[in-house]
Amino acid sequence: DQQVKQNSPSLSVQEGRISILNCDYTNSMFDYFLWYKKYPAEGPTFLISISSIKDKNEDGRFTVFLNKSAKHLSLHIVPSQPGDSAVYFCAASARGSNYKLTFGKGTLLTVNP
Amino acid sequence: DTGVSQDPRHKITKRGQNVTFRCDPISEHNRLYWYRQTLGQGPEFLTYFQNEAQLEKSRLLSDRFSAERPKGSFSTLEIQRTEQGDSAMYLCASSFVQTGFYGYTFGSGTRLTVV
Repeated sequence: DQQVKQNSPSLSVQEGRISILNCDYTNSMFDYFLWYKKYPAEGPTFLISISSIKDKNEDGRFTVFLNKSAKHLSLHIVPSQPGDSAVYFCAASARGSNYKLTFGKGTLLTVNP
Repeated sequence: DTGVSQDPRHKITKRGQNVTFRCDPISEHNRLYWYRQTLGQGPEFLTYFQNEAQLEKSRLLSDRFSAERPKGSFSTLEIQRTEQGDSAMYLCASSFVQTGFYGYTFGSGTRLTVV
C-alpha cells in the first residue's frame, strides 16, 4: 500500500517558468513532510520541509504548500532553472514513528533552457 | 565534517557471496538510518540506530541482513548469501534528534549489483 503517492513520473517545464510537483498521502498520522532532490548516482539532498501545523513554507525559489484536508502537498519552484533538473521525492514522517520517512516514487523534473 | 560518507560507492558481487558496506555519519548526529532504493522506487526504510542501539528493523530486513553501529560511530550493513533481488542502492542517513526533527542528511549511497 503506497502511503505517499507521486502520480506524475515526469514533468517538463521551460526555464524561467514555474514547476509544480504534487504529492498525495493516505496516512493521517503523518505530521512532517519533506522534499528531497536527487541527481543520478548521488544520495537524496534535503530541499524543504513543512510541519502539519503550517500550510506553507518558503525558502528562496522553493515553496511547499500543505492541504491537510485533502492530504495533498505541492512543491513550487519559481523561476525554474536547468540545474533544477533532477528527481524530486516527497517524504513523510508519522507521529511516533521514530522519524522514519516514507517516500513516494519520485517525479523526474526536466527544465529546458 | 564533509557529511555522510559511504563506502564503497559501487559493488559487484556474485550471487551467494557476502558483502559489507560502511557508513560514516555526521559526527554530532545521534541517529543513523539505512534505506534501500530500487529502480523506479523511492527509498525504503531498513533499520535505524540511536547511538549504538539498533531500535527498529523493517520486515524488508531478512535474516541475511545484519547492521551494526559499534560505539555509536560508523555503521556497517552486511548481506550474507546475496541474491539478485538484493541489487539496489543502499543509502545511509544521519540526523540529530533532540528538541525536534529536521530531516536527514543522506550519503551518496552504495550501488550493489548481484550477478
